[in-house]
Amino acid sequence: EDKVVQSPLSLVVHEGDTVTLNCSYEVTNFRSLLWYKQEKKAPTFLFMLTSSGIEKKSGRLSSILDKKELFSILNITATQTGDSAIYLCAPGGRDDKIIFGKGTRLHILP
Amino acid sequence: DTAVSQTPKYLVTQMGNDKSIKCEQNLGHDTMYWYKQDSKKFLKIMFSYNNKELIINETVPNRFSPKSPDKAHLNLHINSLELGDSAVYFCASSQEPPEKLFFGSGTQLSVL
Repeated sequence: EDKVVQSPLSLVVHEGDTVTLNCSYEVTNFRSLLWYKQEKKAPTFLFMLTSSGIEKKSGRLSSILDKKELFSILNITATQTGDSAIYLCAPGGRDDKIIFGKGTRLHILP
Repeated sequence: DTAVSQTPKYLVTQMGNDKSIKCEQNLGHDTMYWYKQDSKKFLKIMFSYNNKELIINETVPNRFSPKSPDKAHLNLHINSLELGDSAVYFCASSQEPPEKLFFGSGTQLSVL
């Protein structure tokens, strides 16, 4: 059965800190891994990763995939209160099935 | 122009009623999905359709029936609503995977 495990489930840090969010997965016929940020409404897209070892960056956020060890990490540097959200990892596999982890609730203290 | 739109945004109804949620995407995508997000914010896939054909049905009770009249629309009909159906339902679409998912704004369903 396909599964996704994110850790930690919740995290509280101070503004300016750097955080690393983890995602491990077991998915049949893995194709890609997506990261999303969810605040109050719908999840918003952050990254799509398909190749191992290639870091993707967007401002203070970066992510990398390890297809051999079946995990991905999302890094946020110099965190701001606006980074407070739930971060969701979603690997996609057989039959275009994209499943989500339970998310990491990140809270940034001012 | 909203890429993925779903209606209604809020739905409050009594147990036992039947209700529908509509979803439309104007992105030209081939694949559409329904996800359910519970109170703990866990997003669980329910169905996916590719070009009007059902691809994924994740052991959802048969009170839930998706219908895709064309590849731009995927509606969700729920019969005999139960308390446990209360959740936020998200519609999403994607181009030939492994492309990213585009989400609708969600429908908050409350069953009383």
